Amino acid sequence: LAKTTQPISMDSYEGQEVNITCSHNNIATNDYITWYQQFPSQGPRFIIQGYKTKVTNEVASLFIPADRKSSTLSLPRVSLSDTAVYYCLVGRGSNYKLTFGKGTLLTVNP
Amino acid sequence: DTAVSQTPKYLVTQMGNDKSIKCEQNLGHDTMYWYKQDSKKFLKIMFSYNNKELIINETVPNRFSPKSPDKAHLNLHINSLELGDSAVYFCASSQVETSDEQFFGPGTRLTVL
Repeated sequence: LAKTTQPISMDSYEGQEVNITCSHNNIATNDYITWYQQFPSQGPRFIIQGYKTKVTNEVASLFIPADRKSSTLSLPRVSLSDTAVYYCLVGRGSNYKLTFGKGTLLTVNP
Repeated sequence: DTAVSQTPKYLVTQMGNDKSIKCEQNLGHDTMYWYKQDSKKFLKIMFSYNNKELIINETVPNRFSPKSPDKAHLNLHINSLELGDSAVYFCASSQVETSDEQFFGPGTRLTVL
């Protein structure tokens, strides 16, 4: 499973766009990039997944450069309720098991 | 409607006791999982079941035994509890075993005294 590196924490303010970058230098050809969000005292929640270029859903966008060695989760106009830990995961395949790293604690300030 | 539910939410017990945590999903998913999140917030998979069959068994002490009576339920039984078992345990499910989109329960905070 590819190792991922993300910032430990980030601070932002309400209404700003937040970009969280994840490095995964040894990503394999068949690997997908998946992001999860975890609020305090709750289980993680799937946000978005992508393989290359750009993916967008109602919650976030995921940007993946051509070499796929990194990815950026973009949260548009964050609110206080977006304060959470965001995990970047890389991998795919049968008997797939999610491997969570330390994640990025995003704190949105008023 | 709760998609993935766990009981109890909190569990406080003494060392050496045996306890169980129950998990149920009403999503019609084929695969269920147990994860452990320790005090440092690392979340690690313990077990995975697909249609009541064990498919992933990480390096977990054999004091931990998952049981799946049907594909909507995956219970976790822990024998001879130790201090190091204190953690938050999350149950999750996914539509198929190869899906990266897993739906997590609210967690069970286990405290062993």
